[in-house]
Amino acid sequence: EIVLTQSPATLSLSPGERATLFCRASQSVNTYLAWYQQRPGQAPRLLIHDASRRATGIPARFSGSGSGTDFTLTISSLEPEDFAIYYCQQRSNWLTFGGGTRVEIK
Amino acid sequence: QLQLRESGPGLARPSETLSLTCTVSGYSIRNSSSYWGWIRQPPGKGLEWIAALYYSGSISYNPSLKSRVLISEDTSKNQFSLKMTSVTAADTAVYYCARYLKFYDAFDFWGHGTMVTVSS
Repeated sequence: EIVLTQSPATLSLSPGERATLFCRASQSVNTYLAWYQQRPGQAPRLLIHDASRRATGIPARFSGSGSGTDFTLTISSLEPEDFAIYYCQQRSNWLTFGGGTRVEIK
Repeated sequence: QLQLRESGPGLARPSETLSLTCTVSGYSIRNSSSYWGWIRQPPGKGLEWIAALYYSGSISYNPSLKSRVLISEDTSKNQFSLKMTSVTAADTAVYYCARYLKFYDAFDFWGHGTMVTVSS
């Protein structure tokens, strides 16, 4: 099983600031990585697929990068609705999710 | 407009079999562009993929749950279902059904989720 480790567990930032979230895989997943956002009480929403490609309707302030074992999700300027939990997910070997990063208001 | 709706009992007894159904509207589960899956989330915890199926009959399971779960489809009702045997308190979670779009190779559309509590 491929384990995805997300860091930091919690990110405390103010609106307008830049958020950088990390996801590390226990072995290479090529670019077979997706990112999701989950707001309280809601289902996850797909943000990024194939490591760097935004899903339809996702604002340009969200960007993904990386390949192999190290990946990054960047939110260039936080909007109030971006304070949520973010999960990475790999599809290289079965499907597994990372433990999540909570982005909270500072 | 694609919609997914999970249904099932909110409460299950330990050792019993849990049955959940996902009703899909606005999109055919026989569409070759998609797989269909179940994902769960224990209270306050992260996401865990359970199983996925393709209309052709191809099925995959999370190896850690494979011995206890069965995913199936009913194309006449545009539904797919999950059965989980021998449930314990550790199976208490919100259970989501979702579309896995091949173009994205990711879950792009989710139901709202249904909370299942395992308790005597």
